[in-house]
Amino acid sequence: DAGITQSPRHKVTETGTPVTLRCHQTENHRYMYWYRQDPGHGLRLIHYSYGVKDTDKGEVSDGYSVSRSKTEDFLLTLESATSSQTSVYFCAISESAGQTNSPLHFGNGTRLTVT
Amino acid sequence: GQNIDQPTEMTATEGAIVQINCTYQTSGFNGLFWYQQHAGEAPTFLSYNVLDGLEEKGRFSSFLSRSKGYSYLLLKELQMKDSASYLCAVRDGDYKLSFGAGTTVTVRA
Repeated sequence: DAGITQSPRHKVTETGTPVTLRCHQTENHRYMYWYRQDPGHGLRLIHYSYGVKDTDKGEVSDGYSVSRSKTEDFLLTLESATSSQTSVYFCAISESAGQTNSPLHFGNGTRLTVT
Repeated sequence: GQNIDQPTEMTATEGAIVQINCTYQTSGFNGLFWYQQHAGEAPTFLSYNVLDGLEEKGRFSSFLSRSKGYSYLLLKELQMKDSASYLCAVRDGDYKLSFGAGTTVTVRA
């Protein structure tokens, strides 16, 4: 299994508070991703990174920011949590991109509840 | 953006075969992936297709037709442990992998 650790695994927070989720990898992979998974929607891309300090938005990036200061860490921040951000968040990594057989490998997820 | 469609649910009997279809629309196709996800767990990679045709991996096979924007995942000799969600995902461009909503397969004894 790919060495990906997400923390925390579970979190309950109140509306309006900032929240940071951490993804740590030991594979030295260049590409890292944050997805959220909700019933009926599947996995939706929030942000991704194609290198240290290189990030871009996905399809549901509003209300989220990311940072990648080191290859191994990719942080997802909810600036001011809302109930609509209650979800399961998955981090993923991949070794290469483009037309390559380089799948995404997923962490075990963080279940976030915003009350 | 992506438009990836797959059936919501399928039910089959242990030992049978099930075919999960996936249709997609994309502007910059760079491969199609299938993932398996058991309830409460992370998705795990099953297969990758970038050229037309069939890829076989044990009991699982995946087919791609780029001209039709169509793929299927074939699960043979179904086992109870195959009860899971199966996710179709398309790489559009270099980085982004977009997922369908998933197909929940229930295997009955």
